[in-house]
Amino acid sequence: AQSVTQLDSHVSVSEGTPVLLRCNYSSSYSPSLFWYVQHPNKGLQLLLKYTSAATLVKGINGFEAEFKKSETSFHLTKPSAHMSDAAEYFCVVSDLNTGGFKTIFGAGTRLFVKA
Amino acid sequence: EAQVTQNPRYLITVTGKKLTVTCSQNMNHEYMSWYRQDPGLGLRQIYYSMNVEVTDKGDVPEGYKVSRKEKRNFPLILESPSPNQTSLYFCASSFPKTGWGETQYFGPGTRLLVL
Repeated sequence: AQSVTQLDSHVSVSEGTPVLLRCNYSSSYSPSLFWYVQHPNKGLQLLLKYTSAATLVKGINGFEAEFKKSETSFHLTKPSAHMSDAAEYFCVVSDLNTGGFKTIFGAGTRLFVKA
Repeated sequence: EAQVTQNPRYLITVTGKKLTVTCSQNMNHEYMSWYRQDPGLGLRQIYYSMNVEVTDKGDVPEGYKVSRKEKRNFPLILESPSPNQTSLYFCASSFPKTGWGETQYFGPGTRLLVL
């Protein structure tokens, strides 16, 4: 069975410092992995995705994530936080299920950025 | 403009009064899905559809129904709403060319309150 664990419910960083949002997953097959961002009172926007190509994936707004199969991790990083990065971030695994594919979201990590 | 639309955006109802939340996409996507978002739980998949007349349960299908008579529409039906279905609901769509690695495009959300 698939599952996604976001290891921190809240992360607080200062503007200009690195961001690390941690995600571990379990999957029976060969999953696709995503990070989505949700700004307050907004819908969800794709940051980046991994679909069995390069293990280091670059996304929008300077974010990137590395797929590590041996550690079953897909952590999201950014070298320098900006105030506009304050939002909630979801790690997502999409996996094959009988008859189609299912999507499992992590519980989310809320990122706070201090001036 | 490519988009997923949901209606209504906000709804207050009473226990037991049947309601339907509509979802429509104009991207000719095959895959559509409904999620509910609750604090601390992330998004949980309710139902999904791989194509017209093909639907399957997600992780939390109890109390919900769906139908997919046309490719563009995927309504969510609550036959007898209860207060525990108070939540924020998102519809999403994607075009799974090769399986499960495609980006999902989300609607703006429907905030439902059941009294």
